[in-house]
Amino acid sequence: KQEVTQIPAALSVPEGENLVLNCSFTDSAIYNLQWFRQDPGKGLTSLLLIQSSQREQTSGRLNASLDKSSGRSTLYIAASQPGDSATYLCAVLDSSYKLIFGSGTRLLVRP
Amino acid sequence: DADVTQTPRNRITKTGKRIMLECSQTKGHDRMYWYRQDPGLGLRLIYYSFDVKDINKGEISDGYSVSRQAQAKFSLSLESAIPNQTALYFCATAHRGKTEAFFGQGTRLTVV
Repeated sequence: KQEVTQIPAALSVPEGENLVLNCSFTDSAIYNLQWFRQDPGKGLTSLLLIQSSQREQTSGRLNASLDKSSGRSTLYIAASQPGDSATYLCAVLDSSYKLIFGSGTRLLVRP
Repeated sequence: DADVTQTPRNRITKTGKRIMLECSQTKGHDRMYWYRQDPGLGLRLIYYSFDVKDINKGEISDGYSVSRQAQAKFSLSLESAIPNQTALYFCATAHRGKTEAFFGQGTRLTVV
């Protein structure tokens, strides 16, 4: 059974710091991995999608990497801003086309 | 208009009542999913569907049922609601293949 873990569960950083969020998964037989952002009480916004054949994807200040063989992905946020405060979720699309989520990292960027 | 629409957005219902949550999408996607989110537990998969004739159970399907009435519509029913089904419910869609998933804005359900 695929399990997805996100560490840390919560993170508080001062504005301007670069930071890394981690996501690990137990079964490397995935089609892709997707990072989402969720604001409190709101829906999920897709940030980046990495296909299993790719090593990384970039969008603005965000960079996501994927090491499928070791079951790891990282989301790098450069020059963090208070507006980046949210919960970040990763999800893997497994071989049955189920989208399996981690429990998220709650990020607070302090002004 | 949103591409993935969930109705209602908020609902309070009593224990034992039957309730239906609806999801419709204008993206032409084949795959549709229902999740529930509880504080600190992330999103857990209830049911998923690849087309109107293909319905699959997720990890927490007990107490729930679904209907894929059309390619664009996927409904979640709670046959007899109980308080521990109080949660935020999300619908998601994706095109066939290994493509990006998109989410609705969620339905906040409270069972009293």
